[in-house]
Amino acid sequence: GDSVTQMEGPVTLSEEAFLTINCTYTATGYPSLFWYVQYPGEGLQLLLKATKADDKGSNKGFEATYRKETTSFHLEKGSVQVSDSAVYFCALSGQGAQKLVFGQGTRLTINP
Amino acid sequence: ETGVTQTPRHLVMGMTNKKSLKCEQHLGHNAMYWYKQSAKKPLELMFVYSLEERVENNSVPSRFSPECPNSSHLFLHLHTLQPEDSALYLCASSQDSRVWFGYTFGSGTRLTVV
Repeated sequence: GDSVTQMEGPVTLSEEAFLTINCTYTATGYPSLFWYVQYPGEGLQLLLKATKADDKGSNKGFEATYRKETTSFHLEKGSVQVSDSAVYFCALSGQGAQKLVFGQGTRLTINP
Repeated sequence: ETGVTQTPRHLVMGMTNKKSLKCEQHLGHNAMYWYKQSAKKPLELMFVYSLEERVENNSVPSRFSPECPNSSHLFLHLHTLQPEDSALYLCASSQDSRVWFGYTFGSGTRLTVV
């Protein structure tokens, strides 16, 4: 079945550092790919998405490119801020699927 | 405001109590979901409703009973819970045929079973 694997956390960085959170997936066909963010005490919010190969999703300085050849959707940000501290979830929706499949989440902490 | 509202935000209940969690959306979506989020565990999909019919039940114990009276409301009825059921319960919605747009989540209900 469809699955998503994220890099294990927690990840701790200093402010203004470069961020990469790896995400790879297994799915048949052409899934849609998502990154969600969960701030402390809140539900999940959609951060960005890509629906076809080579698409780049971007939002709030974060970017991720849908790479079908490597089945990856890595999240990047050039300069992180303390306010980016949260848990980040990679997810996919298979073709014709009625649900999202989530990775296990990566906790990110940014120190000033 | 996310468009999906969950109440209450926090709930403490004894193992013999009966309580209900409520989820409401006014986004025009016709699919709704319950997820359980426990500390240090992946998100667990519990139930999926599409057009008010349950389409998925992921081996959830019978002490959790969902109800979807219409496309805007979803309930999770709780009875005789165990301490290991303490978790954040998240509701989400989507436009059923367009789940590739993603879900809209509520802020969750933090449940503590004592």
